[in-house]
Amino acid sequence: QKEVEQDPGPLSVPEGAIVSLNCTYSNSAFQYFMWYRQYSRKGPELLMYTYSSGNKEDGRFTAQVDKSSKYISLFIRDSQPSDSATYLCARDNYGQNFVFGPGTRLSVLP
Amino acid sequence: DTGVSQDPRHKITKRGQNVTFRCDPISEHNRLYWYRQTLGQGPEFLTYFQNEAQLEKSRLLSDRFSAERPKGSFSTLEIQRTEQGDSAMYLCASSSGTGGTEAFFGQGTRLTVV
Repeated sequence: QKEVEQDPGPLSVPEGAIVSLNCTYSNSAFQYFMWYRQYSRKGPELLMYTYSSGNKEDGRFTAQVDKSSKYISLFIRDSQPSDSATYLCARDNYGQNFVFGPGTRLSVLP
Repeated sequence: DTGVSQDPRHKITKRGQNVTFRCDPISEHNRLYWYRQTLGQGPEFLTYFQNEAQLEKSRLLSDRFSAERPKGSFSTLEIQRTEQGDSAMYLCASSSGTGGTEAFFGQGTRLTVV
């Protein structure tokens, strides 16, 4: 079983839509989670960083962690074509490194 | 620019040659990570440093790979006797303090072994 799982997509939505991206993880002991955005042939860019359960909002982005179901979500409101990228979720690995999911490829169509 | 810097951005090499990549982390960050990413996959952990000490190495890091961070600042990743399977994006990241803090990535070095 992979430690962090994501639907690879591709996911296509019209401009202005609300996008929901999801990850599941295997161990409820993990507490720190991150979302990265990666444009083609570029390095990952940190979007959101969350601790434990609950929501965190930053502009059009909301990250949500549900520890009881081991589910991590990223919501993008009013999606723009510039949001077209691969979105990676990651968890902190006992303070030593970070474990990534395979990423979900998102296309926002104008 | 105060972000993580990697050099070179692209490297094409012939199979069997040695290559070396450099990473300059964010200046106040004491943790530095190396990851490898292939097409359609998420980054895979290779190794990390706390200051100049290399604290963990992944099983992905074969004997042909070596990483250093001699003065706790920049780091180098060397691949000896490159193979076609080494073709990937090599990513460097840095973070401050111990676990539970954000890691910031550089733009990566894309290696092609022909």
